[in-house]
Amino acid sequence: EAQVTQNPRYLITVTGKKLTVTCSQNMNHEYMSWYRQDPGLGLRQIYYSMNVEVTDKGDVPEGYKVSRKEKRNFPLILESPSPNQTSLYFCASSFDRTGRGEKLFFGSGTQLSVL
Amino acid sequence: DAKTTQPNSMESNEEEPVHLPCNHSTISGTDYIHWYRQLPSQGPEYVIHGLTSNVNNRMASLAIAEDRKSSTLILHRATLRDAAVYYCILRDGTGGFKTIFGAGTRLFVKA
Repeated sequence: EAQVTQNPRYLITVTGKKLTVTCSQNMNHEYMSWYRQDPGLGLRQIYYSMNVEVTDKGDVPEGYKVSRKEKRNFPLILESPSPNQTSLYFCASSFDRTGRGEKLFFGSGTQLSVL
Repeated sequence: DAKTTQPNSMESNEEEPVHLPCNHSTISGTDYIHWYRQLPSQGPEYVIHGLTSNVNNRMASLAIAEDRKSSTLILHRATLRDAAVYYCILRDGTGGFKTIFGAGTRLFVKA
């Protein structure tokens, strides 16, 4: 089954404790992206990647890191989480550069709470 | 980066058609118009997308203005399960780049 898998589904942590949220897709997509969703603000893009070793900042990259060493994986790293990073996070992927504006596939989300 | 503008909320009666508008006045020639919806406690899911011509699929129809500066998502017969937040976004067909979501339109469906 074609899917985007995020782990964990829920995570509670404390300020300053490094964490990684994993994202994996099995569709051989070039494009992957991370979003955060806060009440009333819709989805805001954190980082995106157009292919292996190619990443770029979205609208709200501060406090986050990403890496794209393999095509299927795009982990989101919080080196020193703070309470303002408490949010619902979504990973998404799509084919890229087909010239057809391919649709995005989203994961189920990770609810992060930083105490 | 081209942005979209949508009403904050809309209301519909069950089994009636719903027309959800979206304005995208700064759209470029290579931008595809996408619609996604997000049900409570779920990730967004794809609904429909198009470039210039109107599009139909099993979920909805997409009507695109001739100048492409606006579009309308049409749900032909709203059901209670269609109550969700609907997002209109633009995706560049040449690849990559930012994908900007707005706050979307929350659709309420009354029985």
